[in-house]
Amino acid sequence: AQSVAQPEDQVNVAEGNPLTVKCTYSVSGNPYLFWYVQYPNRGLQFLLKYITGDNLVKGSYGFEAEFNKSQTSFHLKKPSALVSDSALYFCAVRDGNTDKLIFGTGTRLQVFP
Amino acid sequence: DAGVIQSPRHEVTEMGQEVTLRCKPISGHDYLFWYRQTMMRGLELLIYFNNNVPIDDSGMPEDRFSAKMPNASFSTLKIQPSEPRDSAVYFCASSLSPRARMGTGELFFGEGSRLTVL
Repeated sequence: AQSVAQPEDQVNVAEGNPLTVKCTYSVSGNPYLFWYVQYPNRGLQFLLKYITGDNLVKGSYGFEAEFNKSQTSFHLKKPSALVSDSALYFCAVRDGNTDKLIFGTGTRLQVFP
Repeated sequence: DAGVIQSPRHEVTEMGQEVTLRCKPISGHDYLFWYRQTMMRGLELLIYFNNNVPIDDSGMPEDRFSAKMPNASFSTLKIQPSEPRDSAVYFCASSLSPRARMGTGELFFGEGSRLTVL
């Protein structure tokens, strides 16, 4: 069955420090992996994706993510966090066979000055 | 393109009333998804369409919920009769297939319709 797990409800990090938001997935077909960010009272905004190719993908606002097939993980990272990065982050997987796209439960990132 | 457009942005209604949420996807996109977001259950996939045809409606919670896509530029999500537990933010999103020539697979979201059922 298709699933996405974000094991951390919240991640706290000091401004300037590196951040990691974790995501693991399960899908029967080829995985298409995505990260989205949501600010209060807004829709979801696309950050980055892995379709094929390099395992390290770069996206908006300095974020990047590493696809690890053996660990079925797609962790979101940023070398230096900003207070403005504080938001709700969602990992998503799209099944290459069905095109069904489901989201994880979300991780709230709090960056402290 | 103006992006995915949802209406209404806010809806307050009384239990038992019919609610209709509307969505206009991005022109040219062949997939349309409806999601519901609540604090308790997160972001749930309700139903998705491909080329106006419903592909998977297993996430629709009850028969009170129905969705249609009469053409490529319009979709509705209807709740009849509505109940307080239906209160949530409902999102519509559209995309191209990841396998389409110009497709990259990511969803583009509308700003959501916040439904409150009293």
